[in-house]
Amino acid sequence: QAGLTQPPSVSKDLRQTATLTCTGNNNNVGNEGATWLQQHQGHPPKLLSSRNNNRPSGISERFSASRSGSIASLTITGLQPEDEADYYCSAWDSSLSAWVFGGGTKLTVL
Amino acid sequence: QGQLEQSGAEVKKPGASVKLSCKASGYSFTSHLMHWVRQAPGQGLEWMGVINPSAGDKLYAKTFQGRVSMARDTSTSTLYLDLNSLTSEDTAVYYCATERGGGFDLWGQGTMVTVSS
Repeated sequence: QAGLTQPPSVSKDLRQTATLTCTGNNNNVGNEGATWLQQHQGHPPKLLSSRNNNRPSGISERFSASRSGSIASLTITGLQPEDEADYYCSAWDSSLSAWVFGGGTKLTVL
Repeated sequence: QGQLEQSGAEVKKPGASVKLSCKASGYSFTSHLMHWVRQAPGQGLEWMGVINPSAGDKLYAKTFQGRVSMARDTSTSTLYLDLNSLTSEDTAVYYCATERGGGFDLWGQGTMVTVSS
């Protein structure tokens, strides 16, 4: 099934800002919004942002999500070593009647 | 908050079936949709399907239709996943996840399924 498009990797310096993107279409991100997940190696994913761009309780304010049309973005400010992880976007696709995921972006903090 | 506790690792031969479980605790099991998501080694996340623990209705990803079955036991707050006709392509970590507040906000620890002759 068709998925969402994410850049495979992003590298940023410590304490800088990273913006990760997720491109979908009008059947998923554009209409339903996207969620963002963080996954450290060997661990299950963790929800960073829900479909309405809200942060679950306990998620740092350094993580913020937004959307413009069919492109969702996750901005991480003041990068820390622990932010180095894989980041996935996901969305409900109303034409597929399925949840779809992006391929993930590996964030490296230099 | 809640917790999802998944069953242990499985090793299966090609053509076999596997049944995984996911026990929920600490929240109202029947109040939220539950999903299965898998992740092959070194790969991304793949959605398999969703079940409504209250009504029992399910929706499977087209990729798995005919080969997957999801069930729940409300008396024990446990979710089940059956996957048959296994191939090496099914080698993956299988996660259950609860959908709350517009996202998959609670995840199990994952169950590794290895398919090998």
